[in-house]
Amino acid sequence: GAVVSQHPSWVICKSGTSVKIECRSLDFQATTMFWYRQFPKQSLMLMATSNEGSKATYEQGVEKDKFLINHASLTLSTLTVTSAHPEDSSFYICSARDLTGTLNYGYTFGSGTRLTVV
Amino acid sequence: KQEVTQIPAALSVPEGENLVLNCSFTDSAIYNLQWFRQDPGKGLTSLLLIQSSQREQTSGRLNASLDKSSGRSTLYIAASQPGDSATYLCAVPQGAQKLVFGQGTRLTINP
Repeated sequence: GAVVSQHPSWVICKSGTSVKIECRSLDFQATTMFWYRQFPKQSLMLMATSNEGSKATYEQGVEKDKFLINHASLTLSTLTVTSAHPEDSSFYICSARDLTGTLNYGYTFGSGTRLTVV
Repeated sequence: KQEVTQIPAALSVPEGENLVLNCSFTDSAIYNLQWFRQDPGKGLTSLLLIQSSQREQTSGRLNASLDKSSGRSTLYIAASQPGDSATYLCAVPQGAQKLVFGQGTRLTINP
């Protein structure tokens, strides 16, 4: 089945530094990947839709200059949290859908990245 | 705008019981509905995907039903086990791509 690999699984960084999170589709190609943020005991909040070869589409209220998304290939999307601050500490999850699928195919999720900014 | 609601928010039952988790959505024009499981600090694991033309899907002890006209889906778990303890999320696509999630049901199975 479709597998999405996300790295790192956890990261601690100092306030003011930047952190990059990778999301890879291992056995399928994905023109579109999605980045979510999840606060403790809450559901997933879509941050942005990552489009291969073009600019990402950000949800309302998400700062595109703080959360930089790059989708340079059909199997890799990256999320960079720039100038991180403690309030950016959260659980970030990516997902993708098989390129060959239609809307009738489900979504596969990565294992998530726990970001802690100190 | 699609909205997804899950009830109950939390459920605690003794091992061995059969249980039902509920999911409702406001826009019945969906392509499919997907149930996920999330363990603490982990990503989402897909459990069942029901196409809009289907009424139910089964995988092992799990059975999911879909009633588009009423905007409802249920996830039935038979003979629950402590290992079933997790948060269960349902989600439907909005438009062409975006998934809309419910708030989840936090399930605890007591030995």
